[in-house]
Amino acid sequence: QQQVKQSPQSLIVQKGGISIINCAYENTAFDYFPWYQQFPGKGPALLIAIRPDVSEKKEGRFTISFNKSAKQFSLHIMDSQPGDSATYFCAASINSGYALNFGKGTSLLVTP
Amino acid sequence: KAGVTQTPRYLIKTRGQQVTLSCSPISGHRSVSWYQQTPGQGLQFLFEYFSETQRNKGNFPGRFSGRQFSNSRSEMNVSTLELGDSALYLCASSPDPSSYEQYFGPGTRLTVT
Repeated sequence: QQQVKQSPQSLIVQKGGISIINCAYENTAFDYFPWYQQFPGKGPALLIAIRPDVSEKKEGRFTISFNKSAKQFSLHIMDSQPGDSATYFCAASINSGYALNFGKGTSLLVTP
Repeated sequence: KAGVTQTPRYLIKTRGQQVTLSCSPISGHRSVSWYQQTPGQGLQFLFEYFSETQRNKGNFPGRFSGRQFSNSRSEMNVSTLELGDSALYLCASSPDPSSYEQYFGPGTRLTVT
């Protein structure tokens, strides 16, 4: 069964706005939560990742918020740009990143 | 550094045939994982290799197999192809088992007719 649930399936945001994608998991043994960005015809690219010992991690315009008690984590893209239009996947894994369990993906469109 | 390379990029096979896909990890990376990506099932883990040994395996039938060579390059094989095997097959590399980050290649698009 799907171990990581991701929402929304698609998202349209205006340029300059904030894009928010949410993920939820059940397995409390997960200890690594990365986000990947995928453009058409390309493989997923590692964007940002977090471990459960921190509640937030920021890299440039991208922020992961992590709520261990709720078993949820989210990706915030600040000042969204048309170049951010892509499919975003959350994932979770146990033990050093192997066997990543992916969410179903969110197709983000940033309009000019 | 060059990224993960996968060959071929595109492949068309007939049902019942077998196929071999190749992956060269980032230089210095010794762990290789394989994933299948389809519109319906999303990204699913196939298997992972380190030091020529399969350490983890996903929930796929035995028709899916793989191996890793001493230079860390990896191949995966699918025998007796089915229409449902049509997918993007992605290879990811990581420096070693203690590293969390996985870096993906562009994938091989397999179409089974």
